[in-house]
Parts: sequence; structure tokens; C-alpha cells
Amino acid sequence: DTEVTQTPKHLVMGMTNKKSLKCEQHMGHRAMYWYKQKAKKPPELMFVYSYEKLSINESVPSRFSPECPNSSLLNLHLHALQPEDSALYLCASSQTPLIQTSSGANVLTFGAGSRLTVL
Amino acid sequence: DAKTTQPPSMDCAEGRAANLPCNHSTISGNEYVYWYRQIHSQGPQYIIHGLKNNETNEMASLIITEDRKSSTLILPHATLRDTAVYYCIVRAGLVGAQKLVFGQGTRLTINP
Repeated sequence: DTEVTQTPKHLVMGMTNKKSLKCEQHMGHRAMYWYKQKAKKPPELMFVYSYEKLSINESVPSRFSPECPNSSLLNLHLHALQPEDSALYLCASSQTPLIQTSSGANVLTFGAGSRLTVL
Repeated sequence: DAKTTQPPSMDCAEGRAANLPCNHSTISGNEYVYWYRQIHSQGPQYIIHGLKNNETNEMASLIITEDRKSSTLILPHATLRDTAVYYCIVRAGLVGAQKLVFGQGTRLTINP
């Protein structure tokens, strides 16, 4: 299995809803990432998990709450979002945290994304 | 991570070689050049990476200048499926670079 699977593919939620995005990989990767991508813009890093621990939070608002229950699973819990949070949310994984790599061969494998619309 | 500069858009005829340039004039000795691409409504896909030497794989070739200040991604026989945004990223291979940061990329359109 060489894929990163994201569910749901599409999500529509109101500003008072609580929802979650899910990401799963079975490649034995020990680092996982959340990126946010607005239309016609490059992906922006949100969070990095290394060995199931949060290692980077790019000053993301607390209405986004990541969780890594085990080495294969990454969740993004959403609460009280704003319409401007509508975007494509991308999950990625790498064999080890990038900081540990000295060869350059550690690359990210991305999922297809979850497209979120906040009404 | 060193900053990269890419043309915002390029066109190429189907069947021809697509040559995508990237400037990274502030690159340092331990920084690798990576290329990813993103086809519409999909996640980014890794293509190739290199440090000093030219590299080739089943998808593309990467040519890095001797001074390492620029590189070119070559898709030898472009097809319509190669239409995508191509991102050139420079990242340190050693401790200190925990993140993969995307620039604006080049929107490549392959025309029939």
C-alpha cells in the first residue's frame, strides 16, 4: 500500500458544527502533515507530527485541532470554523521526520485532499 | 530554506520536451532541489530531487547548473496528462529543515 487516504473527499459544514477530517496511511511512515490550500494558491503547512507527537504548529487557530491516535492515523478536528476556512485540506506522510534525513531521499506522499466548504 | 523563483505559467506542445526552469540563487551546500507537481484537484506528487548531479527517473530529468543556482526539470515527451502546477522546492538535507514549503510554482499547460 503506497497511498495516503483522506476522508471525506467533500465536507460542507456550518459555522457552529463540529466535524473531523481523517487521514490514513499504511506505509509505516512516522511523520504526518496537514496542509491547507486555497484556490490557485500553493499548499500551506499547518501541522507536523513526528512519531505521533506534534512537532510543528504553524500558528494555526485553535478552531483546528489535530490528533494523531497512532502511527497510521491523523485527524483534524474542526469546530466553529469561518467561511474563509473553506479550502482543500491535504494530508501527507514521510518515512521519517524530515529533520532526521541526511540523504534528501525522504519525500512526502500526499493524499487527494478533503475539500471543505464552510457556510 | 532557500527561496525559489519560477515562471508563473508555461505552454508546451504535446509530444515535445517541456523544460521548466527554477532559480535558487541563495541555495547552500547542503540543500537539495525537489520537484513536485499538482494535477488539478489532486494532492501534490513527488517527481524527482537532486543535490549536485543531474538526475533521471521514469518521470523526468533534473539538470542542476554547476554553481547550483538554478535547475531545469525536463519532461522529455509531454502528454496532456502532464498539465499541472509544478513546484520547485529547496530544502536542507540535514538537521534544521523540518518543513517542505511550497512556492508559487509554474502552471504548465500541454496543448494538443
